[in-house]
Amino acid sequence: DTGVSQDPRHKITKRGQNVTFRCDPISEHNRLYWYRQTLGQGPEFLTYFQNEAQLEKSRLLSDRFSAERPKGSFSTLEIQRTEQGDSAMYLCASRSRVSSYNEQFFGPGTRLTVL
Amino acid sequence: QQPVQSPQAVILREGEDAVINCSSSKALYSVHWYRQKHGEAPVFLMILLKGGEQKGHEKISASFNEKKQQSSLYLTASQLSYSGTYFCGTPIITGTASKLTFGTGTRLQVTL
Repeated sequence: DTGVSQDPRHKITKRGQNVTFRCDPISEHNRLYWYRQTLGQGPEFLTYFQNEAQLEKSRLLSDRFSAERPKGSFSTLEIQRTEQGDSAMYLCASRSRVSSYNEQFFGPGTRLTVL
Repeated sequence: QQPVQSPQAVILREGEDAVINCSSSKALYSVHWYRQKHGEAPVFLMILLKGGEQKGHEKISASFNEKKQQSSLYLTASQLSYSGTYFCGTPIITGTASKLTFGTGTRLQVTL
């Protein structure tokens, strides 16, 4: 079990550019979550996948944000036309289909800085 | 709404005890506790379930008062490795999703 991995760990971009982040969940975890965390705050839910289906999106996820999980394994989160307010840590978490306790295991995150 | 944690921050000497509280304005069915070290991912510590069942950590215990909609995390004989920010999380179930709403966080620093 190698845990949840995310790539890249850090991303610096200029306002208006597009960025894409990748998350590889723990193998055989069919549930995947994206959260956003700003400095001093707890993570905030963005979106949820069960297998390849995106079942819920937060109102925080504007139309500039899109997430995919095409084969039910890794997931990508894309932000188009980035704004300075998008600067944050983007966390991915996965959960086993057999978990009865809803334990979510987090990856190390991608820290985005928009200049 | 976001659960409220108290205190916001606490400094302990190694070996001292601490209590971190989490209060919700909504009915709680379970409470999750995570610890996050600076620059790292949140790490799962413990779940408190309605009815008293819990699953968690060796040296950290917790309580869950459903009626008061509160949970408390007890850290006894703290170690330097306990330093970090502690978050409680309350699940919100919509459809098949069970997402977590995290609390305001408690920053704990353990010193020598």
